[in-house]
Amino acid sequence: DTAVSQTPKYLVTQMGNDKSIKCEQNLGHDTMYWYKQDSKKFLKIMFSYNNKELIINETVPNRFSPKSPDKAHLNLHINSLELGDSAVYFCASSRGTNGYGYTFGSGTRLTVV
Amino acid sequence: GENVEQHPSTLSVQEGDSAVIKCTYSDSASNYFPWYKQELGKRPQLIIDIRSNVGEKKDQRIAVTLNKTAKHFSLHITETQPEDSAVYFCAGVLNNNDMRFGAGTRLTVKP
Repeated sequence: DTAVSQTPKYLVTQMGNDKSIKCEQNLGHDTMYWYKQDSKKFLKIMFSYNNKELIINETVPNRFSPKSPDKAHLNLHINSLELGDSAVYFCASSRGTNGYGYTFGSGTRLTVV
Repeated sequence: GENVEQHPSTLSVQEGDSAVIKCTYSDSASNYFPWYKQELGKRPQLIIDIRSNVGEKKDQRIAVTLNKTAKHFSLHITETQPEDSAVYFCAGVLNNNDMRFGAGTRLTVKP
């Protein structure tokens, strides 16, 4: 099941480093998202792109920068990693912006030490 | 995530009993309400959804009800089994372009 695939699955890195997480979907969806899930399991939306254009940008530190080279890809770059960035990051995609067909990737567990 | 509220945060039931999780939303324009199940270490997966023109939808042991007037919707699981143990999230699409999730309910089904 690789409809929405994320890499890497696990990422352990030191404070201050810069890292990227990649996401690709083969569902033909127009909209892609990034979510952060903390230890309390709350799913918080970070960004949303529709046809490569940013449509949602929640209150996220500007150390986080999404990039969508095409509508099948949405990557997340994080600069100057901090301990509080440790979480599971989920990519998702949907048909259009109305949420239909919402599908999550398998997640990337980021641990900052 | 404040636009969709979910209760309870934890729920423990005996195998075979029913479980009910409730959500409320604030945006009257919301028209799509999916429910997701997240097992430990896995991704959230859609289990059932309902659109605003329907009051109830059922799929085997799972049902969802929607009350648009009161702006609340509920997930009902009957004859619970240990494999139903997971975190369940409700969600609502706000302003037609922004899906918000509830805070999640950790369901434990005791054998």
